[in-house]
Amino acid sequence: EVQLVESGGGLVQPGGSLRLSCAVSGFTFSSYWMHWVRQAPGKGLVWVSRMNNDGSTTTYADSVKGRFTISRDNAKNTLYLQMNSLRAEDTAVYYCTRGGDILTGYFPFGYWGQGTLVTVSS
Amino acid sequence: DIQMTQSPSSLSASVGDRVTITCRASQGISNYLAWYQQKPGKVPKLLIYAAYTLQSGVPSRFSGSGSGTDFTLTISSLQPEDVATYYCQKYNSAPLTFGGGTKVEIK
Repeated sequence: EVQLVESGGGLVQPGGSLRLSCAVSGFTFSSYWMHWVRQAPGKGLVWVSRMNNDGSTTTYADSVKGRFTISRDNAKNTLYLQMNSLRAEDTAVYYCTRGGDILTGYFPFGYWGQGTLVTVSS
Repeated sequence: DIQMTQSPSSLSASVGDRVTITCRASQGISNYLAWYQQKPGKVPKLLIYAAYTLQSGVPSRFSGSGSGTDFTLTISSLQPEDVATYYCQKYNSAPLTFGGGTKVEIK
């Protein structure tokens, strides 16, 4: 069974940092693109960042570029999102999602974690 | 960047009604279009990918169509369990933009 479990969310002051983790199981993690998607309270889905299967390619939404860093440890089956210089507008539930694999290429998000809430407030 | 525009933003329909949601891309995206369903308080669920391919386990009353810039999600006979917000998403290149969502309610 495919599972994605996020952790690391919480309350942080503006300007602070937080590191999210996403532990996965049930599939060959090292074969898949992985993504982070966020959803502010009562708002829609926003794609945040992606990393390819071996970590050599990363892409970010303009809103987080230069502040957030995606990474992965394929030996630990874990995806990360380092969030620095946090702002109130970063307050959201952050979801870890699985994209396509090295064979299928482009593929949408068939599996999602349960999400972890990040609240940026003083 | 390519923008994804959904309409309407909300709708109310009766059980058994045919419901149609549209999604327009600001540039052509071939058929790299997915639809998601998010029920209140739940995680989004993939319904359709490649514009019209039903994800495994999704009821056949859901269907998708379109290519290029104009896409449609249709629920052929609305059921009470279909109350949710529906999102389209382009996934051929970054940014993997979502539409603004369409909230579907029962009249």
